[in-house]
Amino acid sequence: KNEVEQSPQNLTAQEGEFITINCSYSVGISALHWLQQHPGGGIVSLFMLSSGKKKHGRLIATINIQEKHSSLHITASHPRDSAVYICAVRGNTDKLIFGTGTRLQVFP
Amino acid sequence: AAGVIQSPRHLIKEKRETATLKCYPIPRHDTVYWYQQGPGQDPQFLISFYEKMQSDKGSIPDRFSAQQFSDYHSELNMSSLELGDSALYFCASSRYSGRAGNEQFFGPGTRLTVL
Repeated sequence: KNEVEQSPQNLTAQEGEFITINCSYSVGISALHWLQQHPGGGIVSLFMLSSGKKKHGRLIATINIQEKHSSLHITASHPRDSAVYICAVRGNTDKLIFGTGTRLQVFP
Repeated sequence: AAGVIQSPRHLIKEKRETATLKCYPIPRHDTVYWYQQGPGQDPQFLISFYEKMQSDKGSIPDRFSAQQFSDYHSELNMSSLELGDSALYFCASSRYSGRAGNEQFFGPGTRLTVL
């Protein structure tokens, strides 16, 4: 069993829909990252969370430390949001443990 | 704002050759991480450096070595390349803040193809 699990693995949506991607982890963490990877391969850091909730534009990330769970929400989704979204956690060291990723496709 | 720079962006090598990948962190960042992402796989941590010293080591083959230089850039040296080394190699950098959870900023990656 992976230490970081994401669901769903694949997600399709119509433009404008509200999207939720979930991440569960089984290890103690000091921080959780949400990353975005586009088809070209580059990784962009969206959020780093250790508690509570963060918002940036149409993106919202929440984390529940007790339940070892985080969610990434995208409001008013757009085709340009199509990418792979990766949850990664940091334990006692700085290295990141990556989830399996969620492939999102948003259709016009 | 300046980002993490990796070079080259693409590299094609033959089996048993050597390759050197370079990473230039964001200015004033003192920590560099290397990750390997095979085709269709999650990124896997290879190795990290803080202030020019190795700070953590993951699943890095013995054929690979890395170091961080005085200007904080890092190089990943890969010898006796194998077909399975074909992957996207990411470098990330962060600045140590004395608290847990320094945010890592990723470079665009180097795509290595071994023929």
